Amino acid sequence: ETGVTQTPRHLVMGMTNKKSLKCEQHLGHNAMYWYKQSAKKPLELMFVYNFKEQTENNSVPSRFSPECPNSSHLFLHLHTLQPEDSALYLCASSHGGGSNYGYTFGSGTRLTVV
Amino acid sequence: DQQVKQNSPSLSVQEGRISILNCDYTNSMFDYFLWYKKYPAEGPTFLISISSIKDKNEDGRFTVFLNKSAKHLSLHIVPSQPGDSAVYFCAAIPLNAGNNRKLIWGLGTSLAVNP
Repeated sequence: ETGVTQTPRHLVMGMTNKKSLKCEQHLGHNAMYWYKQSAKKPLELMFVYNFKEQTENNSVPSRFSPECPNSSHLFLHLHTLQPEDSALYLCASSHGGGSNYGYTFGSGTRLTVV
Repeated sequence: DQQVKQNSPSLSVQEGRISILNCDYTNSMFDYFLWYKKYPAEGPTFLISISSIKDKNEDGRFTVFLNKSAKHLSLHIVPSQPGDSAVYFCAAIPLNAGNNRKLIWGLGTSLAVNP
């Protein structure tokens, strides 16, 4: 148990489907993130939410739509994805202040677009 | 262009020996450097960090060294154990990152510790 829970762990979806990824943390962190990990690429930051407000969108296509209803929950809504969107999607949270700027990551959702 | 580089995609070490994982960066405007460890089918977990004003930080078997003039940091694991086999990511936090804590990541190095 990492403190950040992501569901589902695996997802296979067609290009015309609509699905959502869910992330939940009860660590009292105020910031939450979506990352994408593709093979042979660094972790790519997609979105940042700080106290439920989106503070960063790293030029992510509109077929990815984040939602942060409260500081503990983060969603990533997916629609009309492409096969190249297949990747591991990681959620993370962090708390401001202190010398440890570390994130706590969830286990990720392995997404396959067919 | 990658700002944080891990030039060795993989490393193999004998149990009990020292593992040295390297990381180079191109931007001097980083505040903190961090190492994360990732097992298959799990998210990365924070391992150890170092402030840009220090040159060494130690936590049990793990020590991180920072050489600012060479823009290089390394993670030493002594003694290496089979359970250390994982992918190790180097990451850096830019100065003035603020509350976003935006990390700049390397590609990772896969460490295999052989019994």
